[in-house]
Amino acid sequence: DAGVIQSPRHEVTEMGQEVTLRCKPISGHDYLFWYRQTMMRGLELLIYFNNNVPIDDSGMPEDRFSAKMPNASFSTLKIQPSEPRDSAVYFCASTLLAGAYNEQFFGPGTRLTVL
Amino acid sequence: GENVEQHPSTLSVQEGDSAVIKCTYSDSASNYFPWYKQELGKRPQLIIDIRSNVGEKKDQRIAVTLNKTAKHFSLHITETQPEDSAVYFCAASTGNQFYFGTGTSLTVIP
Repeated sequence: DAGVIQSPRHEVTEMGQEVTLRCKPISGHDYLFWYRQTMMRGLELLIYFNNNVPIDDSGMPEDRFSAKMPNASFSTLKIQPSEPRDSAVYFCASTLLAGAYNEQFFGPGTRLTVL
Repeated sequence: GENVEQHPSTLSVQEGDSAVIKCTYSDSASNYFPWYKQELGKRPQLIIDIRSNVGEKKDQRIAVTLNKTAKHFSLHITETQPEDSAVYFCAASTGNQFYFGTGTSLTVIP
């Protein structure tokens, strides 16, 4: 398995533009997580899905952020409109089955820069 | 919800010395405590974890201890090497959601 796949790896956009980040979890993993990492706040959980259903989106900063998981092998995180303060590295992670004792496998991340 | 605090935020040690990173958590229901290492420009990767029914776990030069009464757990790295330089994150989990600490940037000076 190739692991968790994210695209693009780098994204530079201008303020006000729509940004879509993509993630393909490891096949068979039932849980998918979106994180945002910044120097100031560290690793923040934005939202997570179980079997394609959003379970907890309390970490989504505002209505400009939305996430979908139309099927077990694909998820998107969209920011519309983007702002400079959204600049960060966005990680997607997946984990196998329910229960606490499961390693989270992280993707390589998308480095987003909003000018 | 769970609140995980991690200290110190930065740590520098001489090669060969030990490094200790400490975390506290607030939710007594947390029962799984993984540690992730993130090298510069790379993704976080699990290095060791401990479950609530275990007080200590060791894997070669790294060890983790857990004190459920005091709600704190620690990462110990012995005989540090330059390749141990990275950011280390602790986390606590009550189920499927993970709450991460803010990270410790460890620098091992050759």
